Amino acid sequence: GAGVSQSPRYKVAKRGQDVALRCDPISGHVSLFWYQQALGQGPEFLTYFQNEAQLDKSGLPSDRFFAERPEGSVSTLKIQRTQQEDSAVYLCASSPAGTRDEQYFGPGTRLTVT
Amino acid sequence: SQQGEEDPQALSIQEGENATMNCSYKTSINNLQWYRQNSGRGLVHLILIRSNEREKHSGRLRVTLDTSKKSSSLLITASRAADTASYFCATAIRSNDYKLSFGAGTTVTVRA
Repeated sequence: GAGVSQSPRYKVAKRGQDVALRCDPISGHVSLFWYQQALGQGPEFLTYFQNEAQLDKSGLPSDRFFAERPEGSVSTLKIQRTQQEDSAVYLCASSPAGTRDEQYFGPGTRLTVT
Repeated sequence: SQQGEEDPQALSIQEGENATMNCSYKTSINNLQWYRQNSGRGLVHLILIRSNEREKHSGRLRVTLDTSKKSSSLLITASRAADTASYFCATAIRSNDYKLSFGAGTTVTVRA
């Protein structure tokens, strides 16, 4: 079956531009996560949704970052007024139900801010 | 901040040899997971070990967990070129077990 998909796969933005990154989780997966992975590092947690409810956004680096999942399936991570330090790979993951299961990751969106 | 730390940072082995990498963490956990990431791709889940388990096997993978030392090891036996990747441990802590905390990873290169 289809895995987690993300689009676009690559995004180049000029500093100050807004970007929107999309995640299509595996159908029926209740939990959805966003992570940020800097070059040479492991992923860092950004935010967590259970269905449409954003239960934890403690990892979002600043108020320029905003995530939503209005219908409990597709999610969008929006970054306003991008800065160079936002350059990273943004990974989306989903899991079936409870929060103690493995997470299924998408291929990521590589964002480069110039 | 990242709770887990992998050791070594990089590992180069000959095809057919075994590869061992270690992960140390700081706080009490619900479970510990190992993921693999091939260059430019997303993470693939390898194995999950719960805090009340000590050892787990999956194919050529063997994971151990020592909660008293707050450490885990991943052993890949009879390595293949396709095992070349970065390997990450991720911990789910007790109070927020949905929030995986990843280490910086071990980069494994398997030479043909």
